[in-house]
Amino acid sequence: DAKTTQPPSMDCAEGRAANLPCNHSTISGNEYVYWYRQIHSQGPQYIIHGLKNNETNEMASLIITEDRKSSTLILPHATLRDTAVYYCIVRAGMDSSYKLIFGSGTRLLVRP
Amino acid sequence: NAGVTQTPKFRVLKTGQSMTLLCAQDMNHEYMYWYRQDPGMGLRLIHYSVGEGTTAKGEVPDGYNVSRLKKQNFLLGLESAAPSQTSVYFCASSWPDSFDGYTFGSGTRLTVV
Repeated sequence: DAKTTQPPSMDCAEGRAANLPCNHSTISGNEYVYWYRQIHSQGPQYIIHGLKNNETNEMASLIITEDRKSSTLILPHATLRDTAVYYCIVRAGMDSSYKLIFGSGTRLLVRP
Repeated sequence: NAGVTQTPKFRVLKTGQSMTLLCAQDMNHEYMYWYRQDPGMGLRLIHYSVGEGTTAKGEVPDGYNVSRLKKQNFLLGLESAAPSQTSVYFCASSWPDSFDGYTFGSGTRLTVV
């Protein structure tokens, strides 16, 4: 399974865009990039996922580089409620029962 | 619309005691998972199940057993609790083709003294 590398912490000002990077240089062709977040001690929450095209939903945008070795999660207008730990995960292959293996994530602090 | 429900939410055990954590989902999901999260760390997969009657080991299975007798329930057992098993336990469920991602429960905070 491909590993991911994320900065341990980041911060941004409320109302500004938060751009969270993730490196996954060993990703294979059939592996998707998933983003989850965990607010305080709650269960993780699904944000978005993508294979090779950029994706957008009501929560965020996901930009995947053309070589697929890295990606960026964008929260376009961060609010204080977006303060959380954000996990970038490369989903295990089709024969691995869709296990999600979490890393340490990025702790995002949104400042007033 | 309950989603994934974990019981109990909190528990304190003495070393050597046993207990069972229950996870119930009402979304008819095929796959279910148990994770643990230690302070300041990410989630680690303990065991998972790809269907009723099946279970498999994850990253950190030692000291735990699981059962999936009914599709909607996934039980995590600690036969002889140890202080190293003090953690927050999360259950999750998903479809086999989990394009919508996992649905997680709210967690069980377990302290072993």
